[in-house]
Amino acid sequence: NAGVTQTPKFRVLKTGQSMTLLCAQDMNHEYMYWYRQDPGMGLRLIHYSVGEGTTAKGEVPDGYNVSRLKKQNFLLGLESAAPSQTSVYFCASRKRGTGRHRTDTQYFGPGTRLTVL
Amino acid sequence: QQQVKQSPQSLIVQKGGISIINCAYENTAFDYFPWYQQFPGKGPALLIAIRPDVSEKKEGRFTISFNKSAKQFSLHIMDSQPGDSATYFCAASRPFFSGNTPLVFGKGTRLSVIA
Repeated sequence: NAGVTQTPKFRVLKTGQSMTLLCAQDMNHEYMYWYRQDPGMGLRLIHYSVGEGTTAKGEVPDGYNVSRLKKQNFLLGLESAAPSQTSVYFCASRKRGTGRHRTDTQYFGPGTRLTVL
Repeated sequence: QQQVKQSPQSLIVQKGGISIINCAYENTAFDYFPWYQQFPGKGPALLIAIRPDVSEKKEGRFTISFNKSAKQFSLHIMDSQPGDSATYFCAASRPFFSGNTPLVFGKGTRLSVIA
């Protein structure tokens, strides 16, 4: 099991360029999340998905779009990158369960370090 | 509005000492309180978690203390070691039955354990 993987690991963009970050998980988890981590700001939720074909906005969604066409993949897109989007991006996944089958553990990927010049 | 407030921002502890990190929350609907540990260049990983039906949970050198009435919980690291040097995040979430429940994170505490 690879767990949660993210592609690419590093990327440098110029202002106005677009790119897509790919997150993949092999644990058959229903829930997937995209966070950004900035110094002193902790982990802030950008968008999330509770299942294939569904997405929802998190705390800081502006400037980002997402898609969940396959259960195992969650894509984060930047249509027109801005320097304020320089950050480390983390993807996470979690299994859905209720009652005694409930699990709340979120598994994080290794991160993508994005710099926008 | 910051739903989970974490302190201190940074902490320096002598090897063998006790590290204590505190968190406070506002939303009384939260029912799951995990702590995540993050080493430089890595993603966060679950360290230990607690639910409000108990006041304390211990796993090895790591203990969560939970005070429901005060809406506070804390992480204690006993016999702190240099290998514990990392950033620690507290978090909270609501029950699944109340809808989508992404984790809400504190801003993190950078712990340095010095020999």
